[in-house]
Amino acid sequence: DVKVTQSSRYLVKRTGEKVFLECVQDMDHENMFWYRQDPGLGLRLIYFSYDVKMKEKGDIPEGYSVSREKKERFSLILESASTNQTSMYLCASTLLGLAGEQYFGPGTRLTVT
Amino acid sequence: QKEVEQDPGPLSVPEGAIVSLNCTYSNSAFQYFMWYRQYSRKGPELLMYTYSSGNKEDGRFTAQVDKSSKYISLFIRDSQPSDSATYLCAMSDGDDKIIFGKGTRLHILP
Repeated sequence: DVKVTQSSRYLVKRTGEKVFLECVQDMDHENMFWYRQDPGLGLRLIYFSYDVKMKEKGDIPEGYSVSREKKERFSLILESASTNQTSMYLCASTLLGLAGEQYFGPGTRLTVT
Repeated sequence: QKEVEQDPGPLSVPEGAIVSLNCTYSNSAFQYFMWYRQYSRKGPELLMYTYSSGNKEDGRFTAQVDKSSKYISLFIRDSQPSDSATYLCAMSDGDDKIIFGKGTRLHILP
């Protein structure tokens, strides 16, 4: 079974802090994704990566950056957290292509105060 | 017009009933269609993955795609309280990222 893990289930940070969210997948998947999920807005793609050290902006990249130094690990960075970044953050991976079956992690609920 | 439309619900049905969940879409290039189930405070879990038109069955779940009408459905037979969750449809043309619906909240009443 594919397993996607995220470093924290719940996180509380202060405005202006730098925040790191980590995601690890154990199935040698090529593509990894970061989404945020908000009530009424659904899943919105922040960034994705189709290979090590490669990254592409999604629909809402502003205020975020990513890092993929190893194939199994994809990190989301909030450079200076703001209250409007309070959200559920979900990591996903696929083996083949951007349209492949996406396997999601359990999510990190981030609260910025 | 939004690319993918999905009624947010909530949809409440009695245990044992057949549930029908639906999405409409506007992009005729979509070929890959998915349904995800998401329990509260958890990540989405892939339920069904289909390519092009037709039906696919897996246990109590049937996914149906009608490309001529740009309409996809998920049917749940013999619904159980454990089926209570949010169901997300998703689709792609194969060359671009997946587009998700906003999800339908489903409550199965014991």
